[in-house]
Amino acid sequence: DTGVSQDPRHKITKRGQNVTFRCDPISEHNRLYWYRQTLGQGPEFLTYFQNEAQLEKSRLLSDRFSAERPKGSFSTLEIQRTEQGDSAMYLCASRADRASEGYTFGSGTRLTVV
Amino acid sequence: AQKVTQAQTEISVVEKEDVTLDCVYETRDTTYYLFWYKQPPSGELVFLIRRNSFDEQNEISGRYSWNFQKSTSSFNFTITASQVVDSAVYFCALSGDRDDKIIFGKGTRLHILP
Repeated sequence: DTGVSQDPRHKITKRGQNVTFRCDPISEHNRLYWYRQTLGQGPEFLTYFQNEAQLEKSRLLSDRFSAERPKGSFSTLEIQRTEQGDSAMYLCASRADRASEGYTFGSGTRLTVV
Repeated sequence: AQKVTQAQTEISVVEKEDVTLDCVYETRDTTYYLFWYKQPPSGELVFLIRRNSFDEQNEISGRYSWNFQKSTSSFNFTITASQVVDSAVYFCALSGDRDDKIIFGKGTRLHILP
């Protein structure tokens, strides 16, 4: 297990299309997080899961965004009817249950909506 | 509410100079964790350090050192004898016991000039 994997690395889509990103966390990590990072800003929290349960969603996560983690392993983040403002880097992170454990981030998926 | 402030948006220094990146945080949690991440041009967030709020000892790792001062709610990061490879965006971040996510500052873009 080499870390958190995200797929795809890059995605270009036309406005109005739906996109889905995948995140594979470190296998023994129960907690999985999605962040969004726009140019010149720090990553902003979107949502997180403990196992398959989605425990918190940011106000940034509009109705067009949905995230799942069906079996408590990998997670998907879907954006419906994409808008140009959705263009950003989408980062996934995972960690084990203990609060003292660090967060490991994936390389991110860079979304460009044209 | 938790907040991380990195007042320095961008810093440029000449190679071999020392440079300090400032970080000030706000939290109501008594137990919390502070982080520094490096984001090189490739985009991946690279974990540098995690500090528990009960451990105020300064830490040194090679050319990197961190100064944690609870009295001023600061967690500053110093690079000694900077190198061009240190050029990146550096993020300070915070997570607390009551709120299971990392809050990032806006980052400091560091340019090390040859």
